Amino acid sequence: DGGITQSPKYLFRKEGQNVTLSCEQNLNHDAMYWYRQDPGQGLRLIYYSQIVNDFQKGDIAEGYSVSREKKESFPLTVTSAQKNPTAFYLCASSTRDRGLNYGYTFGSGTRLTVV
Amino acid sequence: DAKTTQPNSMESNEEEPVHLPCNHSTISGTDYIHWYRQLPSQGPEYVIHGLTSNVNNRMASLAIAEDRKSSTLILHRATLRDAAVYYCILRQAGGTSYGKLTFGQGTILTVHP
Repeated sequence: DGGITQSPKYLFRKEGQNVTLSCEQNLNHDAMYWYRQDPGQGLRLIYYSQIVNDFQKGDIAEGYSVSREKKESFPLTVTSAQKNPTAFYLCASSTRDRGLNYGYTFGSGTRLTVV
Repeated sequence: DAKTTQPNSMESNEEEPVHLPCNHSTISGTDYIHWYRQLPSQGPEYVIHGLTSNVNNRMASLAIAEDRKSSTLILHRATLRDAAVYYCILRQAGGTSYGKLTFGQGTILTVHP
């Protein structure tokens, strides 16, 4: 079945370390997105990519980096510059249909905890 | 970015209809209205979307006001599995924000047995 796979589901990181969250999709979607969710809050956009080898900053990009070398993959690196990285991270994808006749498909998330 | 306003929480009884309101007074002519729901510790799930006309699918119905400044998600018979946070979102169809979803706080729906 097609879908989005995020790994790992739980991740623990020591302060000062970089960590990379994986996001893979087999839906043939052009656009991919990374969101962050804090307890009791809505989702906030970190980075997004509409085509391979191109990406844009979202609303809270500081302390994060991404790459989009393949259509299927959009990894997110949480750097040591991110001051409060403990959160639930969600990856999503969608078609780039100009009619916007499709919704987003979300992964099941990665819960990152800094210890 | 165009914003949406939803009640923080709503309650319903099982088997009864639920009407979840959303205000989006600054919506532009090309913005699509999307609804998603999220269960605890899971990614959001797409529910329904529309532009101008009312929409129905197997999960829900979407009623859009004639001036498009508000919409209502209708769950025809609530079940316990419908308890979730429901997000009303405007998906922007133009400019640098093309295709982006901007999430608000959402409505926490509680369903009582």
